[in-house]
Amino acid sequence: RKEVEQDPGPFNVPEGATVAFNCTYSNSASQSFFWYRQDCRKEPKLLMSVYSSGNEDGRFTAQLNRASQYISLLIRDSKLSDSATYLCVVNTYTGGFKTIFGAGTRLFVKA
Amino acid sequence: NAGVTQTPKFQVLKTGQSMTLQCAQDMNHEYMSWYRQDPGMGLRLIHYSVGAGITDQGEVPNGYNVSRSTTEDFPLRLLSAAPSQTSVYFCASRLTGGASGNTIYFGEGSWLTVV
Repeated sequence: RKEVEQDPGPFNVPEGATVAFNCTYSNSASQSFFWYRQDCRKEPKLLMSVYSSGNEDGRFTAQLNRASQYISLLIRDSKLSDSATYLCVVNTYTGGFKTIFGAGTRLFVKA
Repeated sequence: NAGVTQTPKFQVLKTGQSMTLQCAQDMNHEYMSWYRQDPGMGLRLIHYSVGAGITDQGEVPNGYNVSRSTTEDFPLRLLSAAPSQTSVYFCASRLTGGASGNTIYFGEGSWLTVV
């Protein structure tokens, strides 16, 4: 089992739709969580951190469920420019620091 | 502010050749790392460094060497290229290697093909 798992998609949604991605992680000692966005043939860039209380940044909402060991990303009112791959990132410290990237979920927003 | 700069962007190598991917950052970050990204897989850590003079192996270090003589530079050397090393390589940096959540900054990537 992978330490961080994401549905690879692709998710094909129309403009204006709401779409949600989940990411599960296997290590209960994981400490911090993030969503990165990666455009085609570009480098990943931080989209947002994920806090235990949940956090929102404009049309994007991230949530953490420690009991079930998953994080989620909700995108409301999807724009064409949201088309990208979304990477789940998990930091764990168990004697040594470790950052694990999920393989990513591809999103296509169509007009 | 240049951030993380890596070169070359594209490279084709023949099996057995060696080459160095260059990486430099101007943010005075202690922690630098190299990842490779393959289809269907997450970014996998090759080597990392927590400061000048200190390097360590990541998840997939075989066939690669690194050095960190300065805070700014972290080159990745392919010793004898193999087709299995065909991949996209990203250099990254962050303030520290701790789990505090420092943002990771990536270079633009290097597309390497080994034939």
